[in-house]
Amino acid sequence: DIVMTQGALPNPVPSGESASITCQSSKSLLHSNGKTYLNWYLQRPGQSPQLLIYWMSTRASGVSDRFSGSGSGTDFTLKISSVEAEDVGVYYCQQFLEYPRTFGSGTKLEIK
Amino acid sequence: EVQLVESGGGLVQPGSSLKLSCVASGFTFSSYNMHWIRQAPKKGLEWIALIYYDSSNKYYADSVKGRFTISRDNSKNTLYLEMNSLRSEDTAMYYCARITTTDYWGQGVMVTVSS
Repeated sequence: DIVMTQGALPNPVPSGESASITCQSSKSLLHSNGKTYLNWYLQRPGQSPQLLIYWMSTRASGVSDRFSGSGSGTDFTLKISSVEAEDVGVYYCQQFLEYPRTFGSGTKLEIK
Repeated sequence: EVQLVESGGGLVQPGSSLKLSCVASGFTFSSYNMHWIRQAPKKGLEWIALIYYDSSNKYYADSVKGRFTISRDNSKNTLYLEMNSLRSEDTAMYYCARITTTDYWGQGVMVTVSS
């Protein structure tokens, strides 16, 4: 199985500052079609998760442009520019290259 | 409006069985692959199963393979998760989800396995 490893944030992050969340996969998620099969989700407190980014760097519909995804085949970053109170929650990366579709362990964002 | 509504959870004893349902509305259910994803209390997300739109393929996490069965009835717009030989570590909120380049999740249904 592909193992997804997420980094921690130096919480709390001051409001208005940027935050970068890292995720590493045990296998390249770069498909032969040129797309990288990585999703980012945010789970706000008490809510179901929501998709933020797919194919490593494409924002899902309705997602603020303060969120951006980047990376290589195995190392990925979700950047949140100018964090706001509504960004509080746990962020997860997930690979969808292979089954099982493994998630990272989550990275909690707190705002100061 | 797309809606996914799970049901069937509850408190059960170890070794018992339970069947979850997820009723879909607001989209053409028969056109989409569907997932079950769970979250143990205070823990992260765990993907557990997927079924193709036409039931032609099913995939499972190792943790549930051989004990859980995903299925669907496209005539009823309903996704199922049959869970057998339940263990305490299966205690979790269970979500059904449709995830492509957009995502829709249910509100989740709680399953508690305890004696």
